[in-house]
Amino acid sequence: GENVEQHPSTLSVQEGDSAVIKCTYSDSASNYFPWYKQELGKRPQLIIDIRSNVGEKKDQRIAVTLNKTAKHFSLHITETQPEDSAVYFCAASKGAGANSKLTFGKGITLSVRP
Amino acid sequence: DVKVTQSSRYLVKRTGEKVFLECVQDMDHENMFWYRQDPGLGLRLIYFSYDVKMKEKGDIPEGYSVSREKKERFSLILESASTNQTSMYLCASHLQGRGYTFGSGTRLTVV
Repeated sequence: GENVEQHPSTLSVQEGDSAVIKCTYSDSASNYFPWYKQELGKRPQLIIDIRSNVGEKKDQRIAVTLNKTAKHFSLHITETQPEDSAVYFCAASKGAGANSKLTFGKGITLSVRP
Repeated sequence: DVKVTQSSRYLVKRTGEKVFLECVQDMDHENMFWYRQDPGLGLRLIYFSYDVKMKEKGDIPEGYSVSREKKERFSLILESASTNQTSMYLCASHLQGRGYTFGSGTRLTVV
């Protein structure tokens, strides 16, 4: 089955700097890659996603890039703010019905220092 | 906005009890999922369902079962609760090709 890995497990940046979080996946048939943000004590929430037919997607201060050849995708956060501090999960899936289940990475804790 | 509602926020049960965790979504989503979340292990899939009365095992189904009699409701059952099932349980639902919406989670403690 699919295996999604995130490294490192923690990341600390200075407010205003950029943060990059990387994930790798194992199944070349995977075609949908969402990112979730989970603040302390809250549910994971979808912040951005990308499909395998595009290489990059942006939404204000966040962007996601996908390299299908290398089987990795990254979350980029620019001009980080303290409210960006959270656990970020990447995930992958490969389609519809029974294949729509997401496999998640273990999460990375991002700390933004004021 | 889609709402995914889990019946209990916190639950304390005794070892050996049968435990029911309920999840209801209000947007006619086909697919529903149960994950457990443990520190350092991320989100691990227990069971999922892509249609009424259909269920598929996830990565860690042992000790759990599920029921989906109606499209909007997906129940997770711990047949005989054990202390190693103490965890945060998250329900999610989605439409084909869209991201998940998660419930608020149920923190289950088995004593």
